[in-house]
Amino acid sequence: AQSVTQLDSQVPVFEEAPVELRCNYSSSVSVYLFWYVQYPNQGLQLLLKYLSGSTLVKGINGFEAEFNKSQTSFHLRKPSVHISDTAEYFCAVSDRTGRRALTFGSGTRLQVQP
Amino acid sequence: DAGVIQSPRHEVTEMGQEVTLRCKPISGHNSLFWYRQTMMRGLELLIYFNNNVPIDDSGMPEDRFSAKMPNASFSTLKIQPSEPRDSAVYFCASSLEAGSDTIYFGEGSWLTVV
Repeated sequence: AQSVTQLDSQVPVFEEAPVELRCNYSSSVSVYLFWYVQYPNQGLQLLLKYLSGSTLVKGINGFEAEFNKSQTSFHLRKPSVHISDTAEYFCAVSDRTGRRALTFGSGTRLQVQP
Repeated sequence: DAGVIQSPRHEVTEMGQEVTLRCKPISGHNSLFWYRQTMMRGLELLIYFNNNVPIDDSGMPEDRFSAKMPNASFSTLKIQPSEPRDSAVYFCASSLEAGSDTIYFGEGSWLTVV
């Protein structure tokens, strides 16, 4: 079984400030890790994913995330946010066997204020 | 390129009525997923098909819910009879394969049962 914990349900931040959205996971097997973003009234779209190799992963819109196996974390960061980054962010995990679909965290609402 | 196409986008129905949600995955994708999103429970996987075969339906809430995938380009999620607690956004998503591949989401079907 696998699970994802997003520690913050809401993160308010001012425009141009840095932000970190936290994600921890648990799994009995090796996993792939993902971050998805959901803008209002839309479906989810992929920001970035970690499959293997370098633990620092860069995604779209200036976001990056770092896989930390010892801490079972995959935190998402952006050095300077924009108003347009206001959205819901979901961390997700899938096992490497492909027999299970993505398991999502509960989401973090990023609110960028001017 | 056409993404995942869902219909209807919005549905309001009376308790006890049958509801059918439809999905056309991205051409060439072998995996199809149905997710449900609510404020209380977040994103939940309902069922996952691979090559038109249900692989994991452990998330289907109860016998009132059924899903089919008669061919690679079409899937339905049916609720009969519907109840107010079924009100949610239902997302269909597809990927080349489950596991490491990016999952592409449709824009969702917003269901309200009154």
